[in-house]
Amino acid sequence: GEDVEQSLFLSVREGDSSVINCTYTDSSSTYLYWYKQEPGAGLQLLTYIFSNMDMKQDQRLTVLLNKKDKHLSLRIADTQTGDSAIYFCADEGGGADGLTFGKGTHLIIQP
Amino acid sequence: DAGVTQSPTHLIKTRGQQVTLRCSPKSGHDTVSWYQQALGQGPQFIFQYYEEEERQRGNFPDRFSGHQFPNYSSELNVNALLLGDSALYLCASSLAIRGPTYNEQFFGPGTRLTVL
Repeated sequence: GEDVEQSLFLSVREGDSSVINCTYTDSSSTYLYWYKQEPGAGLQLLTYIFSNMDMKQDQRLTVLLNKKDKHLSLRIADTQTGDSAIYFCADEGGGADGLTFGKGTHLIIQP
Repeated sequence: DAGVTQSPTHLIKTRGQQVTLRCSPKSGHDTVSWYQQALGQGPQFIFQYYEEEERQRGNFPDRFSGHQFPNYSSELNVNALLLGDSALYLCASSLAIRGPTYNEQFFGPGTRLTVL
């Protein structure tokens, strides 16, 4: 079946850039998403990218998509303490309405 | 504009019992999806409701069932609860759009179910 993989933890210094990586297996993916989850909260959509795009930039967020390698990354510029959260990569397969999520990457900010 | 709301926020049940969780979609949305998020895991798709029918289902047993009402709100029912059903249950709403186009799902805060 479809699978989405992410590393579990990432630790960065405040002010540095964070890069969170994700790989997926569904070659029919149409949209790929990045969600943020803070403790005790639901999921907040950060950004998304359509499968025919290579890059999308939205303020401090940059999404890169390598469709050949099925690799997705999220770069957060000038990381702040408020960025501390779990980040989920999610894949919406072609014709499927349910999202397939990775296990999430815990972003830890060091002062 | 109220976003997606879910009730209750927390629930404690014992094994073998039945539970009903509720979700009201974001205003203007007609599609509701349910996800189960176990501790330390990503959300897993349970099923989706549109036009009061189950449109798609993930890999969950028949103990998990649902319903959508004419006002688009939805219920998730779980029968014969197991310890492994303890999780955060997330509801997401969206607007059904035909064809391969962007279809953002807005998530509610979830219901935390604990099975003892």
